[in-house]
Formats: sequence, C-alpha cells, structure tokens
Amino acid sequence: DTGVSQNPRHKITKRGQNVTFRCDPISEHNRLYWYRQTLGQGPEFLTYFQNEAQLEKSRLLSDRFSAERPKGSFSTLEIQRTEQGDSAMYLCASSLDGEGSYGYTFGSGTRLTVV
Amino acid sequence: AQSVTQPDIHITVSEGASLELRCNYSYGATPYLFWYVQSPGQGLQLLLKYFSGDTLVQGIKGFEAEFKRSQSSFNLRKPSVHWSDAAEYFCAVGAGGRRALTFGSGTRLQVQP
Repeated sequence: DTGVSQNPRHKITKRGQNVTFRCDPISEHNRLYWYRQTLGQGPEFLTYFQNEAQLEKSRLLSDRFSAERPKGSFSTLEIQRTEQGDSAMYLCASSLDGEGSYGYTFGSGTRLTVV
Repeated sequence: AQSVTQPDIHITVSEGASLELRCNYSYGATPYLFWYVQSPGQGLQLLLKYFSGDTLVQGIKGFEAEFKRSQSSFNLRKPSVHWSDAAEYFCAVGAGGRRALTFGSGTRLQVQP
C-alpha cells in the first residue's frame, strides 16, 4: 500500500465550472476525511466518513460542495459553480477506528486554482 | 469549541541548534494533541501525538513534545536541528468524540547552515 492517493495533484478551472477530486485511502482504513488548506493557514475540516456513511460536515461545506464515499472505499469531493474563494489545497486523510483514528495519514493534496 | 494558537509564524535557527515550537490550545477537558509537519507541496506527516499518560511524548525524526495542562501548552522540541527539518509545523487538537482535528495556523521553520 502506497498510502493515501489524491488525484489530480493540480487543477486549474474557470469560475463557474464544476470540479471533482478523488481520494483513495489506505485500504484497511475505514475512516476518511476531507480538509481544505488555504495559503498561510492550517487545514480546516470539511467532512468525514466512517465506511460509506458521512458522519459529520463542517459549516464550511456549502451547498456547492458534495462528498461521497460509495462502498466505503474511495471518495470524491465535488465543487459546483466554483468561485475564486474555492482556490485552496484540498487534503484527504484516512485512519483506523479507535484511538488510532486520530492518527491520520494525509495524502499530498489536490491544489485547486479558480481563475 | 476547541482552538489552537501557534504564536510564532516564522522561526529561523542554525543547523545544530536546539528548537522549540510553541503551541497553546483551548479546550475544557483533556484534549488529544498532535504535531504534524508539512514540506512544500506535500501532505502532512504525523510527528507525534498525546492521548493520555506520560506528558512527555517521543515522536519520529528525533522530535519530542511535552503536555503541560497548567499552561494549556504542547510545545515541540528537538535538541539539534538538521537542514532537512526546514518545513511548516502544525499543532492540532482533537476533542471529545469528534474525529475532526482543529489545526493551528502553523510555524514555518527555516534552518541556516
């Protein structure tokens, strides 16, 4: 297992377009998280899944954002009608259950630039 | 709600010198505390974590951190810094049953030869 994989690494899109990012977690990890990181800031929590169930969503996750994790494996994060303020690094992480669930493994992120 | 403050935005140390990065948290009970490191263009790597027990925790790459409840702090230390330690360091807190972590805004470490 090569860790948490995110694709694409970079995405440039025009304002108003829809974008979708993919995250493949470590295979035995049943928890998956999405965070957003803007320049000069720490990551901010967006949402998390336990298996296929989306258990928590941040208020940062507006109606234009949707995340899915079909079959409890990979996850997708879609942003509709992108805005310049959506430009950020989108980070995915995964973990096991229990106390170990706090010890995330992060992917390298998808950097989104909205022009 | 919990919060994390990293008072130092940017720190420069000489190679071989000791390092201490500060982290203060706000939470009503005993939090779960973490330090992550992020190299440019990369994701975050977990350095160490504190859940309970011994308040001095050892991590990877020669780092350690000490939980001080009375000061609401979890400072990261390394006795001798290497040029490869140059990166951004984030302190984070997890609390209660939530799995979401709250991160500080980070401290950028530069290492001078």
